[in-house]
Amino acid sequence: NAGVTQTPKFQVLKTGQSMTLQCAQDMNHEYMSWYRQDPGMGLRLIHYSVGAGITDQGEVPNGYNVSRSTTEDFPLRLLSAAPSQTSVYFCASSYTPGPTGELFFGEGSRLTVL
Amino acid sequence: KQEVTQIPAALSVPEGENLVLNCSFTDSAIYNLQWFRQDPGKGLTSLLLIQSSQREQTSGRLNASLDKSSGRSTLYIAASQPGDSATYLCAAVPLESGYALNFGKGTSLLVTP
Repeated sequence: NAGVTQTPKFQVLKTGQSMTLQCAQDMNHEYMSWYRQDPGMGLRLIHYSVGAGITDQGEVPNGYNVSRSTTEDFPLRLLSAAPSQTSVYFCASSYTPGPTGELFFGEGSRLTVL
Repeated sequence: KQEVTQIPAALSVPEGENLVLNCSFTDSAIYNLQWFRQDPGKGLTSLLLIQSSQREQTSGRLNASLDKSSGRSTLYIAASQPGDSATYLCAAVPLESGYALNFGKGTSLLVTP
């Protein structure tokens, strides 16, 4: 099983550029989410979705957009990258409507904004 | 906001030792508490999930306990092996918002041969 797949694994951007981090899962999970992991800060929730067509903000949503047109895909868009968005981004999914069941993580996307 | 703290931040033990990792949380109103393992440069792998109505969960050499009244969880690793070297994170799911895990910053474990 592929599980949760994130692309790209590494990306370098210049300030002001835009890009999309891709996340796909093949487990038919309704719940999907994006976290960022920063040294000394732990993991923080950016956005989440409880099903196709439904998204909501997490703890640190500013500068990011999401959409959920299918159950499988949950892309994260950076509209105008800033150095503060340098981080490791993780996508996670769960078979329960919220993260009350086991959470499955992708391997991460490492983003550097110059 | 729920604050989750993990002590110690780093731990080094010789192979074969039994060890305990600690996790504390400030709000006992949680759905569950989860323990994860993270290897360098990798994502998180779920180890154990304890529902709020449960006291403990076991998987192989791992045992996790939950005491909501005191706001504490422990992860017990028996007969540690070098392959157990990783960062261990705990996370609580608050009742007020069942959509986000509040993560601790992790305990970095090194098991030496």
